[in-house]
Amino acid sequence: DIQMTQSPSSLSASVGDRVTITCRASQSISRYLNWYQQKPGKAPKLLIYAASSLQSGVPSRFSGSGSGTDFTLTISSLQPEDFASYYCQQSYSTPWTFGQGTKVEIK
Amino acid sequence: QITLKESGPTLVKPTQTLTLTCTFSGFSLSTSGVGVGWIRQPPGKALEWLALIYWDDDKRYSPSLKSRLTITKDTSKNQVVLTITNMDPVDTATYYCAHRRAQGYCSADTCYSFPYFDYWGQGTLVTVSS
Repeated sequence: DIQMTQSPSSLSASVGDRVTITCRASQSISRYLNWYQQKPGKAPKLLIYAASSLQSGVPSRFSGSGSGTDFTLTISSLQPEDFASYYCQQSYSTPWTFGQGTKVEIK
Repeated sequence: QITLKESGPTLVKPTQTLTLTCTFSGFSLSTSGVGVGWIRQPPGKALEWLALIYWDDDKRYSPSLKSRLTITKDTSKNQVVLTITNMDPVDTATYYCAHRRAQGYCSADTCYSFPYFDYWGQGTLVTVSS
């Protein structure tokens, strides 16, 4: 299985801050990397697919980058509704593994 | 409008078999490229991919659970069923089904297909306890 490692596991930030979450794959996965947002008690929501493509309806303050083994999710200006957990997922090969998650909390 | 909804028991006993049904609308599982997957999340923990079934009936399973999982589809009913045998308290989790889509890109002489889950069900919490 391909292991996905996210960092940090949690972070505290203020509204308006620029936030960056990183995800590292245990082997090269090209651009087969997706990002999801999950709020408490809710299903995950797709934000970014193919490493950098913004899902329809997702605000442009979210962006993704990277290729190979190292990827980042950036929120350019954190909004109140962005406080949530974020997961990366590789879809290069099955099983499609997820990172352990990053919880973004209010400072 | 794509929707998915999971259904099944909320409580099962250890060693029992769990059967979950994902009922969907807004797409057909006979359309090329389409798939439905199952993902679970123990309370307070990360997401875990379990299984995926494709439009052509190709099936993929998590290696760590493969001996216990079976995924099937009923195209006429717009349903996907996941069974998990020999349930244990560690299998207590919220179980999600999700729609699999793939985005194609071509550059120079190579084309790629990048898959992802774009629509998810609301999830169903299954507790394993005697």
